[in-house]
Amino acid sequence: DAMVIQNPRYQVTQFGKPVTLSCSQTLNHNVMYWYQQKSSQAPKLLFHYYDKDFNNEADTPDNFQSRRPNTSFCFLDIRSPGLGDAAMYLCATSRGRAYAEQYFGPGTRLTVT
Amino acid sequence: GENVEQHPSTLSVQEGDSAVIKCTYSDSASNYFPWYKQELGKGPQLIIDIRSNVGEKKDQRIAVTLNKTAKHFSLHITETQPEDSAVYFCAASIMNRDDKIIFGKGTRLHILP
Repeated sequence: DAMVIQNPRYQVTQFGKPVTLSCSQTLNHNVMYWYQQKSSQAPKLLFHYYDKDFNNEADTPDNFQSRRPNTSFCFLDIRSPGLGDAAMYLCATSRGRAYAEQYFGPGTRLTVT
Repeated sequence: GENVEQHPSTLSVQEGDSAVIKCTYSDSASNYFPWYKQELGKGPQLIIDIRSNVGEKKDQRIAVTLNKTAKHFSLHITETQPEDSAVYFCAASIMNRDDKIIFGKGTRLHILP
């Protein structure tokens, strides 16, 4: 089945230790998104790629970076995680433009100790 | 920018009864309105969506209505079942202009036995 895959599902990192979360898709969608979701809140968009074009949200901290080496893969790098970065990180994809449906992966739960 | 308000934040209904969740949006240019269901520990799942050229859409026990004049849309779930218990998010987007969707804050739906 075509899908959005996130690895790992659970990640524990230490305060200040860089961490990378990964997302892959078999949908061949043009757009890939990274969201941060904290408990009892809506997903908050961090950034997205339309193909190789990177679009950062104005309020996304510099501590968060992203890479999209090819159509299928996208990575979220947190350079120096703080306790406030503990959250669920969701990857989503869409065809983009006239096809606005977004499809989410299962998420990675990040714990910062 | 677009702002989406969602009510209620929590809803409890008896199994078998109907549930209604309401959302309003601020940008009259919005033309795509998806609804997502999120179960505990999982990513949001697209359950139904509606485009601004229709007023109502139905899929089995789920229906969505849209009032463009009043800028509000609603999710209706009939004959509720225990597996309907989840958090539901409405969202709004402008197809062909943005590749982003703006989420409401979510409604936690409890189906009571």
